[in-house]
Amino acid sequence: DAGVIQSPRHEVTEMGQEVTLRCKPISGHDYLFWYRQTMMRGLELLIYFNNNVPIDDSGMPEDRFSAKMPNASFSTLKIQPSEPRDSAVYFCASSSPGQNTGELFFGEGSRLTVL
Amino acid sequence: AQSVTQLGSHVSVSEGALVLLRCNYSSSVPPYLFWYVQYPNQGLQLLLKYTSAATLVKGINGFEAEFKKSETSFHLTKPSAHMSDAAEYFCAVSANAGGTSYGKLTFGQGTILTVHP
Repeated sequence: DAGVIQSPRHEVTEMGQEVTLRCKPISGHDYLFWYRQTMMRGLELLIYFNNNVPIDDSGMPEDRFSAKMPNASFSTLKIQPSEPRDSAVYFCASSSPGQNTGELFFGEGSRLTVL
Repeated sequence: AQSVTQLGSHVSVSEGALVLLRCNYSSSVPPYLFWYVQYPNQGLQLLLKYTSAATLVKGINGFEAEFKKSETSFHLTKPSAHMSDAAEYFCAVSANAGGTSYGKLTFGQGTILTVHP
């Protein structure tokens, strides 16, 4: 089975530009999570969805960040406008409570550099 | 609410030596506990998990961890380190709510394991 697929793997942009990160979860998983990883703050949960509905977005740093999940197989994380402090690796992960294990399956991440 | 503390941001061992990575957790409900490994430029991969069955959990690549409720610990061990074990390791906790877990993990800060020849 295909794992969680993220794109792009690397993105370099200039301050003020819009950035869109994409994620395709594992088929059949009904939870989707966006995490951000930085050296200073480690892994931070930004937002998560259940059955395409945002459940908890308290980790989204500010209004410049938004996330959507228009269907069960696709999610986006958008930053507009981007700032240098947004530079990080952004991970998407999915899970299925039906498996009763709580395990998260991670994508390989999108490394964002904002100049 | 849950939290995780990993003691030691860097651990260095010689090849063949015991690996011990420490993790303490805090949880107001019975927890699920996980260890993940991250190799450079890759995502996190599950090493092992505790889900309220056996307290000694065996994972991939010869790693194991023991859940100790009295000590609120879930330390990761491997009897003999291999060069390929060099990576960053993350301990994580989630709520064991009603026998299911919803995947909302809280991660520790990570421990970088270096293995010397």
